[in-house]
Amino acid sequence: KNEVEQSPQNLTAQEGEFITINCSYSVGISALHWLQQHPGGGIVSLFMLSSGKKKHGRLIATINIQEKHSSLHITASHPRDSAVYICAVTSGSRLTFGEGTQLTVNP
Amino acid sequence: DTAVSQTPKYLVTQMGNDKSIKCEQNLGHDTMYWYKQDSKKFLKIMFSYNNKELIINETVPNRFSPKSPDKAHLNLHINSLELGDSAVYFCASSFDRGYEQFFGPGTRLTVL
Repeated sequence: KNEVEQSPQNLTAQEGEFITINCSYSVGISALHWLQQHPGGGIVSLFMLSSGKKKHGRLIATINIQEKHSSLHITASHPRDSAVYICAVTSGSRLTFGEGTQLTVNP
Repeated sequence: DTAVSQTPKYLVTQMGNDKSIKCEQNLGHDTMYWYKQDSKKFLKIMFSYNNKELIINETVPNRFSPKSPDKAHLNLHINSLELGDSAVYFCASSFDRGYEQFFGPGTRLTVL
């Protein structure tokens, strides 16, 4: 079993919908990352958080350390949000990745 | 200015060859990483250097050898390439261990 589990694996939404992607992990961590990989392949770091909640534009990330769970929310989704969203955790110097969630937002 | 750059972007080569992928960051970061993304898009760390010192060396065949000539560069040399080495290789850097990472554009390696 992977140390970082994401759900769902695939998600299709209509433009404007509120989207939630979940991440659970089984190891002690110092931080959790949300990454975005666009169809062109480039990877961008969206958030790094170790507690609470962070917001950037229409994106919100939350983490519950006790429950070892994080969520990434996208409000008012748009077709340009279509990408793979990857959860990763930092434990020591290591970064361990989830398998990613493929999000497709249809117009 | 590109923060983390990799060359080449695409690399097609025959089995058994030796090849290198170069990575450079101009962010002044102390830590650099190499990741492999397989055909199923799963990312896995291979190596990490901090201040030119190897700090992570995952279970990677010893045909793969990282080299860090200075803090701004981390190159990946691969000997005796095999079909299973075909993947996208990403370089990344961070201010220090455990900090936000910035990724390069990736190098798509195809071994024929």
